[in-house]
Amino acid sequence: DAKTTQPDSMESTEGETVHLPCSHATISGNEYIYWYRQVPLQGPEYVTHGLQQNTTNSMAFLAIASDRKSSTLILPHVSLRDAAVYHCILRVVSNYNVLYFGSGTKLTVEP
Amino acid sequence: AQTIHQWPVAEIKAVGSPLSLGCTIKGKSSPNLYWYWQATGGTLQQLFYSITVGQVESVVQLNLSASRPKDDQFILSTEKLLLSHSGFYLCAWSLGWDQDTQYFGPGTRLLVL
Repeated sequence: DAKTTQPDSMESTEGETVHLPCSHATISGNEYIYWYRQVPLQGPEYVTHGLQQNTTNSMAFLAIASDRKSSTLILPHVSLRDAAVYHCILRVVSNYNVLYFGSGTKLTVEP
Repeated sequence: AQTIHQWPVAEIKAVGSPLSLGCTIKGKSSPNLYWYWQATGGTLQQLFYSITVGQVESVVQLNLSASRPKDDQFILSTEKLLLSHSGFYLCAWSLGWDQDTQYFGPGTRLLVL
């Protein structure tokens, strides 16, 4: 079951840096924070994930609060191609790999 | 590079008819495989997962079944479709369990009339 809270929608303009928040107040020590994004009629695309430390890759920077109860996905210099629904997901490292998707944040990018 | 292929791309089926959806992974041996379903306007739900040939575990029951006849192939099927089976079906793969990332295929759109 989804244990994250995200805003339903956010708007941005091309070239801006976007901060997508995610609240996970009841996160457990063995839960990773995953971010995926999905555009209509396509499969979700992996963005990034982290456990405790901030992480960065070619797509985004993931900032994780020191108490791990919240995180922020930072998208630098967004383009129209970054418009998507962004999902923040907690995944327990266990003997099976189940992802529980919520409704996510719909990011709109204006020209 | 790994590629994931799903077939068919889209299908329109009658209530009560059988269904078979397929997923193939190339470029990776012994992947973990997953089936997801998304109702129109709804959230993604994981249906099944498989860690090896011939072994499938159910996560959510939707009157569907899954099989893994080959290392690189995952099949989703039912003998009798329901209207509620309409939606978007996605196959995903990962290398293993620990902090493992799932990668999704392009999906199959199914409309049951």
